[in-house]
Amino acid sequence: GAVVSQHPSWVICKSGTSVKIECRSLDFQATTMFWYRQFPKQSLMLMATSNEGSKATYEQGVEKDKFLINHASLTLSTLTVTSAHPEDSSFYICSARRGESQETQYFGPGTRLLVL
Amino acid sequence: GQNIDQPTEMTATEGAIVQINCTYQTSGFNGLFWYQQHAGEAPTFLSYNVLDGLEEKGRFSSFLSRSKGYSYLLLKELQMKDSASYLCAFMDSNYQLIWGAGTKLIIKP
Repeated sequence: GAVVSQHPSWVICKSGTSVKIECRSLDFQATTMFWYRQFPKQSLMLMATSNEGSKATYEQGVEKDKFLINHASLTLSTLTVTSAHPEDSSFYICSARRGESQETQYFGPGTRLLVL
Repeated sequence: GQNIDQPTEMTATEGAIVQINCTYQTSGFNGLFWYQQHAGEAPTFLSYNVLDGLEEKGRFSSFLSRSKGYSYLLLKELQMKDSASYLCAFMDSNYQLIWGAGTKLIIKP
């Protein structure tokens, strides 16, 4: 199988603080990892694509200085929401692709962020 | 341009069959995916079609017609646990997934 974990699964923080979310591929090496955000009753919205050892590619409208992505190894990518505000409250989901481009993406369980 | 469309919500009865349609437009195509997403959880992979035709996997089947830009997910012998959102997504020429908004399937006893 292909298992992707995310940590933490739930986080509540005060406005202005920074939150780091980890995404790990547990039993395979992920050449590419994706970060999505999903608001209630809406579809997945791709935020950025990250390849190990290189800078992430951000989608239009996503602030790269606010959502810092680090893909330091083939099994770990992190998303840091800097100076979080209530409007950043959302469900953040990472996914990982194992190798060839046409492989499906394997999703982590998601992280629910609530900024007070 | 690119777009993808699927119904917002469908209702079906336990034990019955339901077909969820998905239409898409794109210049570059590398396959069509279906995912299931229960409320509050991440999506889980159901199927992948890259060639025309029907792929059957247990109670779930997925169909693709590339010339029509059309796919459907067929769920047979519906169970209450099938109540979820079903997301279709196509992979474009850059191997990015373009997601539909999801179809919320409500199963009634």
